[in-house]
Amino acid sequence: GQNIDQPTEMTATEGAIVQINCTYQTSGFNGLFWYQQHAGEAPTFLSYNVLDGLEEKGRFSSFLSRSKGYSYLLLKELQMKDSASYLCAVRDLGTDKLIFGTGTRLQVFP
Amino acid sequence: EAQVTQNPRYLITVTGKKLTVTCSQNMNHEYMSWYRQDPGLGLRQIYYSMNVEVTDKGDVPEGYKVSRKEKRNFPLILESPSPNQTSLYFCASSLSPENTGELFFGEGSRLTVL
Repeated sequence: GQNIDQPTEMTATEGAIVQINCTYQTSGFNGLFWYQQHAGEAPTFLSYNVLDGLEEKGRFSSFLSRSKGYSYLLLKELQMKDSASYLCAVRDLGTDKLIFGTGTRLQVFP
Repeated sequence: EAQVTQNPRYLITVTGKKLTVTCSQNMNHEYMSWYRQDPGLGLRQIYYSMNVEVTDKGDVPEGYKVSRKEKRNFPLILESPSPNQTSLYFCASSLSPENTGELFFGEGSRLTVL
């Protein structure tokens, strides 16, 4: 089966850097995805990792270690608009189904 | 504009009254899926469709039906809604079954069953 763990809530200050961790256990791994979801809105795709290492996309970066079952999303130069929930999701190798974690709610303060 | 459109966005209904939540995408995507989102449980997949006339159960299919008669539409049917189906529902699509991780989501439909 699949199990995904991420912190429930985090807070940070505008302009700072924050790292949101995600650990997973899976019988078959075929990629890890991060989504952003503002309150009352739909999730939007942020990043995708299938190989070990860091993927950078502007202020956001995502890291994957398959051997450790671990990923993190790094947000730099935080802005107020980054206040949102961040969802970690793992795609199952056999079914290609996407399994979501419960999300990390990030609050950015001035 | 590329989008996934769901209707209704908000609905309050009563136990046992059949309802349909429509979902339509204009991106010619092959893959479509329905999720429900509940506090503390995250997004859970209800049903998905790899292509026209191909549907399959997700993780929480009980009490729901779907159909995929056309590529663009993927309605979610609750034949006899119950209060435990009160939730926020999202329809999502992706270009192909190989791209199931990069999903485009609709705006969501908040359903309350009394």
